[in-house]
Amino acid sequence: DAGITQSPRHKVTETGTPVTLRCHQTENHRYMYWYRQDPGHGLRLIHYSYGVKDTDKGEVSDGYSVSRSKTEDFLLTLESATSSQTSVYFCAISRLRVETQYFGPGTRLLVL
Amino acid sequence: DQQVKQNSPSLSVQEGRISILNCDYTNSMFDYFLWYKKYPAEGPTFLISISSIKDKNEDGRFTVFLNKSAKHLSLHIVPSQPGDSAVYFCAATGQGGSEKLVFGKGTKLTVNP
Repeated sequence: DAGITQSPRHKVTETGTPVTLRCHQTENHRYMYWYRQDPGHGLRLIHYSYGVKDTDKGEVSDGYSVSRSKTEDFLLTLESATSSQTSVYFCAISRLRVETQYFGPGTRLLVL
Repeated sequence: DQQVKQNSPSLSVQEGRISILNCDYTNSMFDYFLWYKKYPAEGPTFLISISSIKDKNEDGRFTVFLNKSAKHLSLHIVPSQPGDSAVYFCAATGQGGSEKLVFGKGTKLTVNP
């Protein structure tokens, strides 16, 4: 299994609160991704990174920001959480640009 | 506009029989396709992939078929086992070298003992 951890694994927060989710990898992979999974939508890409300090938007990036200051860490921040951001968030990594992505265990976020 | 479609939200089969999960795509630039399996409360796990230069790839009980002219791929599981019960996601990439995966909405497979 790829060495990917996500923290926290579960979080309950209130609307308007900032939230940061962390993805940590031990594989030294260049590419890192944040997805959300919602019923009826499958997996949707939020943001991704193709190197330290290099990030780009995905399909559903509004309301989210990311940062990558080290190869091993990719942070996802909800600046002001809303109930529509209640979801399960998955981090993924890949070694090459077009290659299999490997997923972390997920973070379940509930915004009240 | 959904570029990767899994039109069957669910599928139920008997243990020992074949499971066939289907996936259609609309973007002709896709050239690499993957299947992921997901159990509840876990992250998706990679199952099998296929490049557009092939029409079949096999790994044990799992075979993926690609029909480029029909923009269709399928995952065959033979024989199906109760432990195969999970949600299966089809994904595609390529688009001239894109690093992004585009996922379908998933098909929930239930294998009955």
